[in-house]
Amino acid sequence: NAGVTQTPKFQVLKTGQSMTLQCAQDMNHEYMSWYRQDPGMGLRLIHYSVGAGITDQGEVPNGYNVSRSTTEDFPLRLLSAAPSQTSVYFCASSWQVNYGYTFGSGTRLTVV
Amino acid sequence: KNEVEQSPQNLTAQEGEFITINCSYSVGISALHWLQQHPGGGIVSLFMLSSGKKKHGRLIATINIQEKHSSLHITASHPRDSAVYICAVKGSNYQLIWGAGTKLIIKP
Repeated sequence: NAGVTQTPKFQVLKTGQSMTLQCAQDMNHEYMSWYRQDPGMGLRLIHYSVGAGITDQGEVPNGYNVSRSTTEDFPLRLLSAAPSQTSVYFCASSWQVNYGYTFGSGTRLTVV
Repeated sequence: KNEVEQSPQNLTAQEGEFITINCSYSVGISALHWLQQHPGGGIVSLFMLSSGKKKHGRLIATINIQEKHSSLHITASHPRDSAVYICAVKGSNYQLIWGAGTKLIIKP
């Protein structure tokens, strides 16, 4: 049982480049979410999904897109990377939003 | 004022000490989570509470809904407990509101 798998673990992008952070879970969790964590700050919600085909914006959605075509996968797309998007990104899933969360190991993204 | 406040921000203690980390919140909630983030960055969910008290090994979490306060206790602390402990609450929508975390260092 792999849990939540995030790829890549590290990425360096140039300003203006686009990329997709992958998140997959094999626990049949309905709820999935993306967070970013910046130094000295708490986790901030980017986008979330309560099931396949349903997504919604979180606290800091600008510059990011998501889709949820299957229960297992919840990719996060950076449309045109900016240095302000340098951060550590975590994907998390849960059976329902009021259940415990399982986190991926994180993606450390640097935009230069 | 943040909706979720944790205290202390930093805590250094000796091995074996009893540790208490506090979380206060200002919104109505349906659940409160305690999570642990290791120095390597991984995040682990410890507890989810909506009332009362939960215990897992040396960790105990309590919540007082009326006072809008939760505590995380660690008994017989050990250097491997060194981590950032994060409190998060779920309000009326799907989003969690996160505290800034408490950095705990346990010295041998």
